[in-house]
Parts: sequence; structure tokens; C-alpha cells
Amino acid sequence: AQSVTQLDSQVPVFEEAPVELRCNYSSSVSVYLFWYVQYPNQGLQLLLKYLSGSTLVKGINGFEAEFNKSQTSFHLRKPSVHISDTAEYFCAVEGTGRRALTFGSGTRLQVQP
Amino acid sequence: DAGVIQSPRHEVTEMGQEVTLRCKPISGHDYLFWYRQTMMRGLELLIYFNNNVPIDDSGMPEDRFSAKMPNASFSTLKIQPSEPRDSAVYFCASSWDKNYGYTFGSGTRLTVV
Repeated sequence: AQSVTQLDSQVPVFEEAPVELRCNYSSSVSVYLFWYVQYPNQGLQLLLKYLSGSTLVKGINGFEAEFNKSQTSFHLRKPSVHISDTAEYFCAVEGTGRRALTFGSGTRLQVQP
Repeated sequence: DAGVIQSPRHEVTEMGQEVTLRCKPISGHDYLFWYRQTMMRGLELLIYFNNNVPIDDSGMPEDRFSAKMPNASFSTLKIQPSEPRDSAVYFCASSWDKNYGYTFGSGTRLTVV
């Protein structure tokens, strides 16, 4: 089985500042890793994913994440945030052999002017 | 492509009534997932299908919940009888075997009073 821990429930940040949202996972098998964003009253939208290869993954809206196998982490970063990035962000893991995502509890990113 | 379509968007029902949630996946996607989102428990996988066949229903809370996928373009999640603790946002998502990462619908917000 897999599990995901998002260490911060809320992250306040000023506009144009950098941000990092932390995610750690646990799994006994190889995994695929994902970040999703959820805007108010909407479904989840895929930001980026790591399947294999380069450990630095670039996604939509200027976000990127780095897979660190030794630390079992997949932190999400953006060098300069905008007000429109205010949303809930979910880290998720899928173990090889089972096509179902396990989600973390989410991190609410609050971008202030 | 219209994306994953869920109906209704909102449902308010009285305790004890039957509730049916509907989902139309993206054409060509062969995986379909039902998730439930609550403040207390976050995003929970209820059940998923592959080629219309239920693969894992271990997340279905109890016998009051049932899900069907009679064909590749339609799935239902039924709760009978409904209880106040079933109040949540229910998401449907679909995926293609060769493309990891889901496309989510906009969700159905269920309120049981």
C-alpha cells in the first residue's frame, strides 16, 4: 500500500515570491507521482507527473517538482507566484500494478498581494 | 472533448432516500474512478473500473453504496438509503491505459438532510 504526507496544510505567501509545497510518500513498490490543483468548486486538474527518467519535472502554469528517491519526496515549486495560483494542491501516488491514486490531505496555497 | 461529465452538480436529499450520481467518462478512456471528498477524510477512492469491469471496490463504505458501469460511456454510483454522513463531494475521473494521470469531472455535491 502507498501513503502520502503533505507536511503543510496551509502556505501563505506574497505575490511574486517563490513557494515550495512539500510532499513525502511511502511505498513498498515503485511509484508514479503526481501533483493536482483544485480551484474552488471545481474538480482536480493535473499539474505534472513523474513516471521515470529525469527527476526534475516541469508542469503547467510554471510549476515544477523534483523526485528524490532517497528522501521519498516530491516537492512542488514555483519561482514566482501569482494571485491566480491561490488554490488547494494535492500530491498523489500510484503504485505500479494498481491503477488507483492515493492522495495526500492537500495544501492550501494563499497568495497575498 | 467535453471532458468528464458528472450529473447532477448539486443534490439535496432527505435521509433514507435513494441517490444516484452519474458520470460520462472521456471517450476512449478505459479506466473510471469514483472518489469522495470530505473535510475530515480528504479524497478517498471508492471504486474503479477497467473496461467496464469493477477492479477494486474496497473503498466502498458499506452495502448502501453500489456502482455500475453498463457500458464504456456511462457509470452510476448509487446510495440507498442515504444518511447525513454521506454528505460530500463525489468525483468521477477517467484515464487511458497508456497515459497515467486522471481527468476529473467537476463533481457532485451531495447534501443529505
